[in-house]
Amino acid sequence: GNSVTQMEGPVTLSEEAFLTINCTYTATGYPSLFWYVQYPGEGLQLLLKATKADDKGSNKGFEATYRKETTSFHLEKGSVQVSDSAVYFCAPGTDYKLSFGAGTTVTVRA
Amino acid sequence: EAQVTQNPRYLITVTGKKLTVTCSQNMNHEYMSWYRQDPGLGLRQIYYSMNVEVTDKGDVPEGYKVSRKEKRNFPLILESPSPNQTSLYFCASRKGGVDGTEAFFGQGTRLTVV
Repeated sequence: GNSVTQMEGPVTLSEEAFLTINCTYTATGYPSLFWYVQYPGEGLQLLLKATKADDKGSNKGFEATYRKETTSFHLEKGSVQVSDSAVYFCAPGTDYKLSFGAGTTVTVRA
Repeated sequence: EAQVTQNPRYLITVTGKKLTVTCSQNMNHEYMSWYRQDPGLGLRQIYYSMNVEVTDKGDVPEGYKVSRKEKRNFPLILESPSPNQTSLYFCASRKGGVDGTEAFFGQGTRLTVV
């Protein structure tokens, strides 16, 4: 099955700082890769995805590139805002199953 | 509006008292899943369904049951809840047969078993 190792948090940053959250995975087959975000008190929502090697997913200033050779999908944002405070989950997915990392809590201070 | 609706949002119950958490989606998705979220463990899949009357165990199925009698509904049943089932539960749906499709999540159900 799939498994995910995600950078441990919590991570605390100042506004406009650079954010990176590391994610590596093991998977059977050729998964699609997702980053989901969970804002306080809410369910998960898709942040970005990539479906094949070297694809770059991007959304809301966040980016992640599907690196098949290193089985990684690191999340980056060049300048964070207070509104980016949330829990971020890396998730490889095949068909019916998404396998989630433990989540990284990010807090951005004004 | 595309959505997954779970009810209730919050539930406190006593050990052994049967309960059902409902989940409904309006996107005609084939795949539906239940996850539980616990601190430090991320989300773990409890059960999933690939279509009506087709269900299977996920990673942590013990103590749970599901059914899929209609495409839109996927209730989670705890026949005899125990305190170790205190958790935050999420239902999700996803279009089947296409790689890379997004999963849509409900708002979550916070269950406390005392």
